[in-house]
Amino acid sequence: DSGVTQTPKHLITATGQRVTLRCSPRSGDLSVYWYQQSLDQGLQFLIQYYNGEERAKGNILERFSAQQFPDLHSELNLSSLELGDSALYFCASSARTGLAETQYFGPGTRLLVL
Amino acid sequence: KNEVEQSPQNLTAQEGEFITINCSYSVGISALHWLQQHPGGGIVSLFMLSSGKKKHGRLIATINIQEKHSSLHITASHPRDSAVYICAPRSRGGSEKLVFGKGTKLTVNP
Repeated sequence: DSGVTQTPKHLITATGQRVTLRCSPRSGDLSVYWYQQSLDQGLQFLIQYYNGEERAKGNILERFSAQQFPDLHSELNLSSLELGDSALYFCASSARTGLAETQYFGPGTRLLVL
Repeated sequence: KNEVEQSPQNLTAQEGEFITINCSYSVGISALHWLQQHPGGGIVSLFMLSSGKKKHGRLIATINIQEKHSSLHITASHPRDSAVYICAPRSRGGSEKLVFGKGTKLTVNP
């Protein structure tokens, strides 16, 4: 158990819908990262937050957005969902940023868009 | 050309064999992660290294920054080592962005 929690574990929804994925980092960790893992693209970095502020951005679509709240939990919002958004979405956390930090991964949310 | 190349893509071994998985990257990096993804999907960070060599139990990771190459070795492999191993260099410049290899699927037969 990494100490990172993600909810829900599974999500089935329809095209055009909007969903919110939630992540609670390990106690004391200030950095949260979001990743997408699809069958064709593999793992991709989406976005990182550090202590409430966006720190780095990767291959995140404009239909997707994220935020980190004062209690350090984070949410990833996916809107106007398409079939191709079906994937595993992982959240990871680390203690700090800017240095070589081990990232601890949550169990993931499996999203299926029908 | 992909920024991160792993080899082999698939690897089948007999229990007890010595395993080597290779990772080559083209980007400048500050560190490199080796991740393990179990069949159920969960991801565990095995190592993060920026130079030299690290050892944890039967696992050894090495990196050569000049040659842009890293290897993950498993000694005395066991069926519970069966998983996908993913190399993930971290780009330089203060960003935490990881770039991922496509992974090496390892199957260790008893």
